[in-house]
This record gives sequence, structure tokens and C-alpha cells, in this order.
Amino acid sequence: AQSVSQHNHHVILSEAASLELGCNYSYGGTVNLFWYVQYPGQHLQLLLKYFSGDPLVKGIKGFEAEFIKSKFSFNLRKPSVQWSDTAEYFCAVVTGTASKLTFGTGTRLQVTL
Amino acid sequence: DAGVTQSPTHLIKTRGQQVTLRCSPKSGHDTVSWYQQALGQGPQFIFQYYEEEERQRGNFPDRFSGHQFPNYSSELNVNALLLGDSALYLCASSRRRVGNRNTEAFFGQGTRLTVV
Repeated sequence: AQSVSQHNHHVILSEAASLELGCNYSYGGTVNLFWYVQYPGQHLQLLLKYFSGDPLVKGIKGFEAEFIKSKFSFNLRKPSVQWSDTAEYFCAVVTGTASKLTFGTGTRLQVTL
Repeated sequence: DAGVTQSPTHLIKTRGQQVTLRCSPKSGHDTVSWYQQALGQGPQFIFQYYEEEERQRGNFPDRFSGHQFPNYSSELNVNALLLGDSALYLCASSRRRVGNRNTEAFFGQGTRLTVV
């Protein structure tokens, strides 16, 4: 069965620092990849997605992610974080012809002023 | 345009009781999936409904059942509640595309279930 690993459980950054959150998945076939964000008290929102094509995808709020097939990775990046980026970030994968999302355990990002 | 709406937002139940959670999908969506999110964990897939039938199921016991109505709304039922069922239950909706793949999922705010 497919799985998703997020190795950073809790990340603390100062405002304006650069961010990279790791995500690795285990599945050898076709994948669709997603990053979702959960701000405090709010619902899960889609940050960005990869279905096919350019492996560098850009999402909302200045986030981007790069799909590296050979490394089974889909890391999330942002050049300069803001205090408002404080949230929990989830990487998720859809594999094959299924449409269910398999999530990682999440990374809690805390941005300090 | 309403997004995914879930009710109730919070619920407290006693062990052994039964609970029903409700979900209305985003306008234009025909597929509803349910997830359980325990504290400090990522959401875990329970099952998915399309055309009023359960299409996929995760690793959850038969105590977890569901239904989808002709208007695409859905219910999640949990029987014989256990303390371990305490979690945030999320509903996600999407639209089926050609080739049985779905568009990206939109999530509701969830129902916080506490079993005491």
C-alpha cells in the first residue's frame, strides 16, 4: 500500500526565512501529488497540486513544490515565510486509478516575528 | 458558491452509542469521501461514495457505514462507539472525470466527535 512520509514534524522559522518541507511517497506507478494547509481553526485548503507536466508547480501564497520522480519526493518551498504562514501542512498522494488521498502525518510550521 | 458543509460541528457521545454525521458537497461535485483525523495525525481515508454507492473503502471496521443521497449529500454513521473513535471527521468532495479519476478534493471544516 502507498504511504507518505513527512520527516519534519515541527518547524520553527523567523519571518523572512526560507522554507522547505520534505515529502516522500512510496508508490512506483502514476501519482497525483498535493499539499494541503490547515490554518488554526480552519478547514484543509489546497495549496498546490501536481497531476502531470512541469514538475515545478506553483501554488497560492507564494508556495511552490517540485516533483522529483527518481527520488519519490514532492518538497514544498517558499522563499520568504510570513507570520501568517503559521499552520499545519500536509502532503498527500493519489495513486493509480484510485481517487482516495493518502496523507502524511503533517508538519506544524510556526513562524515567529 | 457554498463550499463543503458539515454538521454538526461538535458532538459528544457516550461509548456504545451511535452517531450520524452529515455532509453537503461543493456545488458541481458528485463524489464524497470521508476521512478521520486523530489528534496529531494526518487524515485517514474511511470510504468514498459516488452515484450513491460505496466505491472505495479504507481500513475501517464495519461499524463505520455511510450513505449518499440523490442530491450528492452524504452521511457517515458510526455504531457502537469506542473511545478511540474520538477524532475530527472530515468530508471532502470532488468531481468524477473521464477515466474515473477525480478533480482535487475540497474539504469541509469537519465534525469534532468526542466519545466519553
